[in-house]
Amino acid sequence: SQQGEEDPQALSIQEGENATMNCSYKTSINNLQWYRQNSGRGLVHLILIRSNEREKHSGRLRVTLDTSKKSSSLLITASRAADTASYFCATPSGTYKYIFGTGTRLKVLA
Amino acid sequence: DVKVTQSSRYLVKRTGEKVFLECVQDMDHENMFWYRQDPGLGLRLIYFSYDVKMKEKGDIPEGYSVSREKKERFSLILESASTNQTSMYLCASSPTGGLTKNIQYFGAGTRLSVL
Repeated sequence: SQQGEEDPQALSIQEGENATMNCSYKTSINNLQWYRQNSGRGLVHLILIRSNEREKHSGRLRVTLDTSKKSSSLLITASRAADTASYFCATPSGTYKYIFGTGTRLKVLA
Repeated sequence: DVKVTQSSRYLVKRTGEKVFLECVQDMDHENMFWYRQDPGLGLRLIYFSYDVKMKEKGDIPEGYSVSREKKERFSLILESASTNQTSMYLCASSPTGGLTKNIQYFGAGTRLSVL
């Protein structure tokens, strides 16, 4: 029951460049979340965007949501080696559950 | 800071063994989750609990059971471990209200190998 799908599956950039990853989903949602996972660790929540918001910022992160296209993007500006991780979008499935995508693996080269 | 603690980081078990994975959260969250994570498949929900003694099957409950006797603790049980249950297991919790409603807080994960 996959809902969100991230694109690309993997991304490799130089330190200082911007990284953009996308999430597409199938059904109407009232919010969408992005999480980060460092290798071999648990996921960490980054940002939640509601369906009535088009854009949201948190530090070097910028998230957009286009409900008409059923898609969201996560932009990391001025990337650092420490941003190397997998990034997942999560969309609601029922009242409290979320479905996570398969993730984008980001590698930032120093 | 919310803390979700999983009892083991690494675990090696034999086929047929009964395996207990424990998860404890310290933020009085109502909801708790167990996922498994496999390469290329992302996170898949095994079981979910929205209250003490309440549980709901996720997408892949076969071969697993859960127990939630206390609000802070959610246990995942592999009744008879099999090699196809070798995976990374992640526990999470989330509140039902407040500013962090529906944000999931994850433990560090347990990498289980079944030989």
